[in-house]
Amino acid sequence: EVQLVQSGAEVKKPGESLKISCKGSGYTFTNYWIGWVRQMPGKGLEWMGIIYPGDSDTIYSPSFQGQVTISADKSISTAYLQWSSLKASDTAMYYCARHPTGSPGWFDPWGQGTLVTVSS
Amino acid sequence: DIQMTQSPSALSASVGDRVTITCRASQSISSWLAWYQQKPGKAPKLLIYKASSLESGVPSRFSGSGFGTEFTLTISSLQPDDFATYYCQQYNSPVTFGQGTKLEIK
Repeated sequence: EVQLVQSGAEVKKPGESLKISCKGSGYTFTNYWIGWVRQMPGKGLEWMGIIYPGDSDTIYSPSFQGQVTISADKSISTAYLQWSSLKASDTAMYYCARHPTGSPGWFDPWGQGTLVTVSS
Repeated sequence: DIQMTQSPSALSASVGDRVTITCRASQSISSWLAWYQQKPGKAPKLLIYKASSLESGVPSRFSGSGFGTEFTLTISSLQPDDFATYYCQQYNSPVTFGQGTKLEIK
């Protein structure tokens, strides 16, 4: 079974750094793009960017370029989303999801989500 | 960037109703469109890909159609489990979601 399991909820202060993870299993991790999607409280889905773990090719949404870093460690089948300096406006649920073909497309499956709360 | 506009933003309907949600793209995306269902506190669930292909395990009362810039998701006979928020997503260049349609019980 193809599965993405995300790291647990985080509570951070403004200005702190954070790296959340998404571990893939049940498939060849290096062969499929993985994306990150933000959902702010009570709001819709926002695409942040995608990474191809095979060669770490990364595409960012213009809205998130420079605000976050997407990376992957293929040796442990894990993708990451990180911030160097969090803001209160980064409070949201973050989902990772896989493109089920070898090129960017629809997302399936999705991880369970990681809730990030940034508050002083 | 390609913008995706869903309508309506919210919809009240009854069990057994036929419901249609529309998604319009700001430029042609061929058939590169997916639909998702999301329930509160849960990750989105894929329903439809390539505009009209039904994901395995999704009930046949869900269907998708369209090409180019206009697309629809239809639920032929609403069931209690269908009350949720629905999103479209284009993956022509590179990825954008619609703003969502909340389907509520009348």
